[in-house]
Amino acid sequence: QLQLQESGPGLVKPSETLSLTCTVSGGSISSSSYYWGWIRQPPGKGLEWIGSIYYSGSTYYNPSLKSRVTISVDTSKNQFSLKLSSVTAADTAVYYCARQGPSPGTCYRWGQGTLVTVSS
Amino acid sequence: DIQMTQSPSSLSASVGDRVTITCQASQDISNYLNWYQQKPGKAPKLLIYDASNLETGVPSRFSGSGSGTDFTFTISSLQPEDIATYYCQQYDNLLLFGPGTKVDIK
Repeated sequence: QLQLQESGPGLVKPSETLSLTCTVSGGSISSSSYYWGWIRQPPGKGLEWIGSIYYSGSTYYNPSLKSRVTISVDTSKNQFSLKLSSVTAADTAVYYCARQGPSPGTCYRWGQGTLVTVSS
Repeated sequence: DIQMTQSPSSLSASVGDRVTITCQASQDISNYLNWYQQKPGKAPKLLIYDASNLETGVPSRFSGSGSGTDFTFTISSLQPEDIATYYCQQYDNLLLFGPGTKVDIK
């Protein structure tokens, strides 16, 4: 069964770049015609879609974050990654990765999430 | 930009009650609407896709309906394990989640 696991630093300093990786197991990113996405949730708040990437590398980003976000895929490692630059305390959140469908509209399977705190 | 609203923001109901949550989009999104359940401390889980289709393995007491701008999510008989926050999400224009509805047991 497909599983996703987020990994990366739990603490990032303001103005630095947040970097997270999602490792996919139980299936191959490159053999599946799916989108793979990142969603975040500030403590006690709702869900915000960050962006999505197709296995071939094409991307969609949330316009409100687009200038700071880069999502990439490494099919050799069966991973996709998120980089968010110039972070502030407002970027403190649980970050989830998810498997989407042939279009990026639906998040079918989610990772457990990882809390990233932005603080000096 | 599309805006999503949900009502109520929270509700308390008794076990066995019928629970209804509404989601409204600021413009026509056809049936490009999903519903997710998020239990405390857990990742969200897809329950309903394309407004009315039940995801595989999801109990049949959950259902969704609607199209255009107005959508409804229903739990036909509330169970203790249904305590969660429920989010609608549109994908007519990228992805946007509604603010959520927290469901408690009375």
